[in-house]
Amino acid sequence: ELKVEQNPLFLSMQEGKNYTIYCNYSTTSDRLYWYRQDPGKSLESLFVLLSNGAVKQEGRLMASLDTKARLSTLHITAAVHDLSATYFCAVDLSGGGADGLTFGKGTHLIIQP
Amino acid sequence: NAGVTQTPKFQVLKTGQSMTLQCAQDMNHEYMSWYRQDPGMGLRLIHYSVGAGITDQGEVPNGYNVSRSTTEDFPLRLLSAAPSQTSVYFCASSRLTSGPYEQYFGPGTRLTVT
Repeated sequence: ELKVEQNPLFLSMQEGKNYTIYCNYSTTSDRLYWYRQDPGKSLESLFVLLSNGAVKQEGRLMASLDTKARLSTLHITAAVHDLSATYFCAVDLSGGGADGLTFGKGTHLIIQP
Repeated sequence: NAGVTQTPKFQVLKTGQSMTLQCAQDMNHEYMSWYRQDPGMGLRLIHYSVGAGITDQGEVPNGYNVSRSTTEDFPLRLLSAAPSQTSVYFCASSRLTSGPYEQYFGPGTRLTVT
């Protein structure tokens, strides 16, 4: 059974600081996704990581994937209030999307001025 | 493109009632799925489909039925609603025959069972 663990589950940080969210998973997979969810809203796709060593950046967010360590990270640089949200990682066990995604429990991020 | 649409947005049911949550996509995606989201639990897969006429169970299928008669539509039926089915339901779709297999989510249906 695939397990996806995120940590921390809750993070309060100040604007301007850097921090990293970690996503560990229990079974080999080459495909990992990061999503953002605002309160009461749907999930917004942030990154799709498709191979070992993949790194993607968008604005103040950067995601990476180490398939050998079964670890993905989401790094936040110089955080701003607008990044406050819940962030989910999800793993595609089948490699082709056919078996759905297994999600972590999410990291609730609050960025304070 | 409208993307993935879901109706209704909100629904209140009494225990034992049945209903159908609607999901449609206009991106010609082969793959469609239903997830439920409960506080502190992330999203959990209920049922999925890799094409018209093909469905399969996910992690938490009990109490739900699905069918896929067309590529565009993937309704989720609650047979006899229970309070444990109070949740937010998301439909998602993606391509299967070519990457990156990113799943696109609908706006969600917030269901309360009393």
